[in-house]
Amino acid sequence: DTAVSQTPKYLVTQMGNDKSIKCEQNLGHDTMYWYKQDSKKFLKIMFSYNNKELIINETVPNRFSPKSPDKAHLNLHINSLELGDSAVYFCASSRSGNQPQHFGDGTRLSIL
Amino acid sequence: ELKVEQNPLFLSMQEGKNYTIYCNYSTTSDRLYWYRQDPGKSLESLFVLLSNGAVKQEGRLMASLDTKARLSTLHITAAVHDLSATYFCAGDMRFGAGTRLTVKP
Repeated sequence: DTAVSQTPKYLVTQMGNDKSIKCEQNLGHDTMYWYKQDSKKFLKIMFSYNNKELIINETVPNRFSPKSPDKAHLNLHINSLELGDSAVYFCASSRSGNQPQHFGDGTRLSIL
Repeated sequence: ELKVEQNPLFLSMQEGKNYTIYCNYSTTSDRLYWYRQDPGKSLESLFVLLSNGAVKQEGRLMASLDTKARLSTLHITAAVHDLSATYFCAGDMRFGAGTRLTVKP
């Protein structure tokens, strides 16, 4: 049983397109996160939601818009994709804002 | 904002040897985490360190926390090839750059 699942696993698309990544967790956690991992493996927090409410919104272009329809889901929509958006995007969840996080398998986004 | 610095960033060691990875952080943090990431895979939580002097051990890995020095360490004892991975320390959703460990026979 997958605890944190992301779809799709791979996403290859052209510059300027709009795409979404979905994330669902079945752990009963109330906090969810999006991270971006670049080619050098550096992990940066993008957004954090607690019980569907946005609690962290780092310096991320407003082309990125998270949506949390319920506390088990946190989706990420990206408009007007740019070459610099190529990365692996990880969704994670935790019991509260300061507990170990459980990570999804990542979505590898490649912009052509 | 918490800043987390790890060193070394790359570590190549022989099987059977011991080594320590260091993690310095800039401001007070409630807790410190260590994660492991295998190539092309997700991150797996290894340790949560909650208070000054905390020490946790799992197999050949031992993590400790010194909140006064703002330092956490991950000590590897008698390394084996299976420990090859990237290790991250993190606090308050801020991650260090990771230490890429390669254990050679």
